[in-house]
Amino acid sequence: ELKVEQNPLFLSMQEGKNYTIYCNYSTTSDRLYWYRQDPGKSLESLFVLLSNGAVKQEGRLMASLDTKARLSTLHITAAVHDLSATYFCAVDGYGNKLVFGAGTILRVKS
Amino acid sequence: EPEVTQTPSHQVTQMGQEVILRCVPISNHLYFYWYRQILGQKVEFLVSFYNNEISEKSEIFDDQFSVERPDGSNFTLKIRSTKLEDSAMYFCASTDRTVMNTEAFFGQGTRLTVV
Repeated sequence: ELKVEQNPLFLSMQEGKNYTIYCNYSTTSDRLYWYRQDPGKSLESLFVLLSNGAVKQEGRLMASLDTKARLSTLHITAAVHDLSATYFCAVDGYGNKLVFGAGTILRVKS
Repeated sequence: EPEVTQTPSHQVTQMGQEVILRCVPISNHLYFYWYRQILGQKVEFLVSFYNNEISEKSEIFDDQFSVERPDGSNFTLKIRSTKLEDSAMYFCASTDRTVMNTEAFFGQGTRLTVV
């Protein structure tokens, strides 16, 4: 059974600082997704990572995928308050479904 | 930009009542899903649907749940006899898995409150 673990589960950071969220998964998969969720809202797609070594960047966020290590990272550069949200990674499991991590609650303090 | 739409946005129902949550997936997508998120918890897969039948379902998706695509555009989730623990945000999603990018697009969710 595919398991997806994120850490940390809660991250409080100062504006301007850098940090990384980690997503580990237990079985082979070549497809991993990062989503952002604001309180009470839906899931906004951030990144789609489809192969080993994939790296994508959008603004202050950069995501990477290492399928051999079964690890994805979401790196935050020079955090700003607007990045405060919950971030989920999700892995494309066999059987045509996404398996989500527990989510990382990010709070950026000014 | 095409999007997945869900109705209603919020539904309050009494325990034991039937509810139907509605979704209109993106028009050229072929795979449809329901996920749920209990408040403060992670998103959990319920069921996937392709070619007018269920392709996979989770342990959560028991006999109280059913899905249907009654016409060419709607995709519904029915809960026959709601329980308090069914209170959650329910998300519909759709994908086009015929292309490399199998990104799932999520609707805005229906918040179900069972009282």
